[in-house]
Amino acid sequence: KAGVTQTPRYLIKTRGQQVTLSCSPISGHRSVSWYQQTPGQGLQFLFEYFSETQRNKGNFPGRFSGRQFSNSRSEMNVSTLELGDSALYLCASSEQGTEKLFFGSGTQLSVL
Amino acid sequence: AQSVSQHNHHVILSEAASLELGCNYSYGGTVNLFWYVQYPGQHLQLLLKYFSGDPLVKGIKGFEAEFIKSKFSFNLRKPSVQWSDTAEYFCAVNAVSNYQLIWGAGTKLIIKP
Repeated sequence: KAGVTQTPRYLIKTRGQQVTLSCSPISGHRSVSWYQQTPGQGLQFLFEYFSETQRNKGNFPGRFSGRQFSNSRSEMNVSTLELGDSALYLCASSEQGTEKLFFGSGTQLSVL
Repeated sequence: AQSVSQHNHHVILSEAASLELGCNYSYGGTVNLFWYVQYPGQHLQLLLKYFSGDPLVKGIKGFEAEFIKSKFSFNLRKPSVQWSDTAEYFCAVNAVSNYQLIWGAGTKLIIKP
């Protein structure tokens, strides 16, 4: 069974631009969640989708948005990038929710 | 708001030493509790979890954790560590009423051979 796939692995953007990150979950998993990871801060929850519906959203500004498609693939978008958005963005999938998350390798975003 | 606190950011031990990593959370309701581990160059993976029942849970690779509700704690233990346990360990919590996992800042564990 293929694992969680995130693309791209690395991104370099400039302030003010927007970016779209993609996540393909494990086959059969309907829950996809997104996290921002920065050194010393752990993982910050962005949002969680289940069967195309956003069930929870973390405390991030509206510039951060996401969606999930009918095949469970998910995208997250960050508009009007700021320097502080530089981070590793992790996607995780599971069958139902938080019972056991399977993580991807992440997308390392650098904002210059 | 919920929060998770991991008391030690860095821990260095010698092989065969005993390990205990602290995790405390702030939330008054019913919670699910997790420990995840990230080995160098690998993805985050689940080490163990507590949903209900016996507060002493056993995970992979000889790890265990004890949920003490009165102390809002879920400490991770291993009686004898190995060099291969070198990794970063994360504690995470969610209220059973939602799917928002709250994470601690992580503890980097280095085992000296």
